[in-house]
Amino acid sequence: AQSVTQLGSHVSVSEGALVLLRCNYSSSVPPYLFWYVQYPNQGLQLLLKYTTGATLVKGINGFEAEFKKSETSFHLTKPSAHMSDAAEYFCAVNMRFGAGTRLTVKP
Amino acid sequence: GAGVSQSPRYKVAKRGQDVALRCDPISGHVSLFWYQQALGQGPEFLTYFQNEAQLDKSGLPSDRFFAERPEGSVSTLKIQRTQQEDSAVYLCASSASTNNYGYTFGSGTRLTVV
Repeated sequence: AQSVTQLGSHVSVSEGALVLLRCNYSSSVPPYLFWYVQYPNQGLQLLLKYTTGATLVKGINGFEAEFKKSETSFHLTKPSAHMSDAAEYFCAVNMRFGAGTRLTVKP
Repeated sequence: GAGVSQSPRYKVAKRGQDVALRCDPISGHVSLFWYQQALGQGPEFLTYFQNEAQLDKSGLPSDRFFAERPEGSVSTLKIQRTQQEDSAVYLCASSASTNNYGYTFGSGTRLTVV
């Protein structure tokens, strides 16, 4: 069985600030981990994924995430937020999704 | 096709009516998932197919929900005797891999039960 916990349903940052969206998971099998982004009234778009190998994964739009097995975490980061990053972000483990984190970017 | 296609895009059903939602995955994609996404929530897993085999249907909320993929390509999610709590966006995703290497999602079908 798998489960995903996204800490913080809403995160607000200023433009240019660090973005950190937290994801912890549990899985009874080796996890494949994903981050998806959903813009208003649009479908889900894959940001990045971890399957095997390097634990630091780089994705689109300057996002990256690090798989930390000992902490069962897969937090999403971006060094400098843009206004266009405002959206809903979903973490998934083996295609089971968390509840999402809404990112707001303030000018 | 170039992407995952879902139809209809919007569906309004009267309570008690049966509905059928269609998913056309990317050609050749082996794996197919259905999800239910209520307003303001994350996608909730419904069911998973590998080719025509339904390997996991543990997320189907009741026996009113039924999914099929008879030829291993197009899939249909059927909801019988719809209820207001069935109102949600139903998402379909497909992948060429059987190893959970990331999926392409369709735009979804927004079902409203009145």
